[in-house]
Amino acid sequence: GAGVSQSPRYKVAKRGQDVALRCDPISGHVSLFWYQQALGQGPEFLTYFQNEAQLDKSGLPSDRFFAERPEGSVSTLKIQRTQQEDSAVYLCASSLATGWTDTQYFGPGTRLTVL
Amino acid sequence: AQTVTQSQPEMSVQEAETVTLSCTYDTSESDYYLFWYKQPPSRQMILVIRQEAYKQQNATENRFSVNFQKAAKSFSLKISDSQLGDAAMYFCAYRSAYTGNQFYFGTGTSLTVIP
Repeated sequence: GAGVSQSPRYKVAKRGQDVALRCDPISGHVSLFWYQQALGQGPEFLTYFQNEAQLDKSGLPSDRFFAERPEGSVSTLKIQRTQQEDSAVYLCASSLATGWTDTQYFGPGTRLTVL
Repeated sequence: AQTVTQSQPEMSVQEAETVTLSCTYDTSESDYYLFWYKQPPSRQMILVIRQEAYKQQNATENRFSVNFQKAAKSFSLKISDSQLGDAAMYFCAYRSAYTGNQFYFGTGTSLTVIP
């Protein structure tokens, strides 16, 4: 497809389970971002990749959160031992290059509900 | 860290009328980008308009324009000739020119367009 895709669109997990959220950026896009959007809030930055390198992970809320992009395209956000406060929409965005002028293209998000 | 404030949780406008959404931000930086994103119910964020802080001229994209007041740290969005398809959540966002990886989003304004 032409846009950023994310899967699954919805995920329900029991507290303590591990989850993996996938992001397929636009082909050829160098930069990839993950955001967490709690209900009624704006997105909050989690982490940033330039190709396969994770250059900024300052927004990850705890060491239970882990992201990777091993081949510089598809990225996975993994959350271990999920907690109720992890319930949110997780957004992925990609941009063509690395300049701060570049437009970010967002995916539809994955809504995670932790019971 | 930079903060972005949207003081209007909800706004409504009659179809074909004009509406202005407010955004203020707090930063000590002199160089940055400001953005307005639209998030329809499908959740995919779409870039509406952006403004470079070093440019005095306000950005315009068709029916969308901004009023950028750098000294006042204000960045409002004006939507002219409102259409039903404009109904969505609108987020104001800030991106540093120095540490451009992170976007800082406001909490959003929900816009309703009344037929």
